[in-house]
Amino acid sequence: EIVMTQSPATLSVSPGERATLSCRASQSVSINLGWYQQKPGQAPRLLIYGASTRATGIPARFSGSGSGTEFTLTISSLQSEDFAVYYCQQYNDWPRTFGQGTKVEIK
Amino acid sequence: QVQVVESGGGVVQPGRSLRLSCAASGFSFSNYAMYWVRQAPGKGLEWVAIIWHDGSKTYYADSVKGRFTISRDNSKNTLYLQMNSLRAEDTAVYYCARDRGLKVRGIIIPTCFDYWGQGTLVTVSS
Repeated sequence: EIVMTQSPATLSVSPGERATLSCRASQSVSINLGWYQQKPGQAPRLLIYGASTRATGIPARFSGSGSGTEFTLTISSLQSEDFAVYYCQQYNDWPRTFGQGTKVEIK
Repeated sequence: QVQVVESGGGVVQPGRSLRLSCAASGFSFSNYAMYWVRQAPGKGLEWVAIIWHDGSKTYYADSVKGRFTISRDNSKNTLYLQMNSLRAEDTAVYYCARDRGLKVRGIIIPTCFDYWGQGTLVTVSS
């Protein structure tokens, strides 16, 4: 099984600042990677697929990059509604696997 | 708009069974693969199972293989998860999610989860 490792576990950021989240795969997943945002008590929401393509309705301040085993989610200027937990997920192989999540909290 | 709504969760004793349902609307249900994904209290996300758009193929996480069965009724736009021999570690919110899909040379390849329901809580406890 492909193990997805996210870092850091928690990221403290001030509103308006840039946030950079990392995700590493234990073996290459090409660009078959998605990023999800989850707020407390809510279902996850797809932000990015194909490692760098924004899903429908996702603001341009969210961007994804990377391929192979190293991926990054960048939030260019954090808004209050962006404080949440973010998960990466590979869909290159079965079983589908998620990272353990990065919590973005207010500094 | 695309909507998926789970139901059927509740409290069940270890070793017993439960069936979850997911009612889909706002899209052509029979054209999409569908998933179940779960999240234990305070924990991360775990993929559980997938069923192809026409029900021809299914895959399961090792943790549920042989105990859970995913199925669908395209005439009713409904996805199911039959859960047998339930264990305490199956306690979680269970989400139904649509597969975004990627069409390659006329074949739809499963990809990621583009629409999620709000989830239904399953608690396995004596």
